[in-house]
Amino acid sequence: DTGVSQNPRHKITKRGQNVTFRCDPISEHNRLYWYRQTLGQGPEFLTYFQNEAQLEKSRLLSDRFSAERPKGSFSTLEIQRTEQGDSAMYLCASSLLQDYGYTFGSGTRLTVV
Amino acid sequence: DAKTTQPPSMDCAEGRAANLPCNHSTISGNEYVYWYRQIHSQGPQYIIHGLKNNETNEMASLIITEDRKSSTLILPHATLRDTAVYYCIVRPQNTGNQFYFGTGTSLTVIP
Repeated sequence: DTGVSQNPRHKITKRGQNVTFRCDPISEHNRLYWYRQTLGQGPEFLTYFQNEAQLEKSRLLSDRFSAERPKGSFSTLEIQRTEQGDSAMYLCASSLLQDYGYTFGSGTRLTVV
Repeated sequence: DAKTTQPPSMDCAEGRAANLPCNHSTISGNEYVYWYRQIHSQGPQYIIHGLKNNETNEMASLIITEDRKSSTLILPHATLRDTAVYYCIVRPQNTGNQFYFGTGTSLTVIP
């Protein structure tokens, strides 16, 4: 296991379509985080899971966004009825329960046209 | 919300030490100082963290002032691969909560 894996790396979609991203964390990590990053800004927190439980959601996570981590392993982030403002890099990170920092994946870059 | 202030950009000559400052004047007693960096088109990478003592690892050194209101990340011998955005973050350790990244310092290492 070499790190956090995110797929796809790039996604171009038409406005109004639904998209789903996948994150595979480091296998023994029980915490998983989703962040969003727009051009010129630092990453912004969206949500995090401890095992399969979603423990916190940012107000940035509108009703069109849903995240799951069904068996406490991989996670998916779905965006319904995409809008141009959803264009961003979506980053996933994972950590152990007692850990100093996160390990991030390389992200999925979403472009809504 | 970000509780740190960093210069937006800095340059450093290759092979010289890069000293990146961070102000965190409202830091609480239980909050640690974390540093991450983000190389273009990659996710952020953890560098180092500390509470009040200076810290050193294979990547960098972290110097925290005695009053803890500011800190400096030191890359002792900067290389071109150190060109990145560096984020200084304060947060209680092991809260499970998010990091607030702010906009960081864009460091350019010049050949």
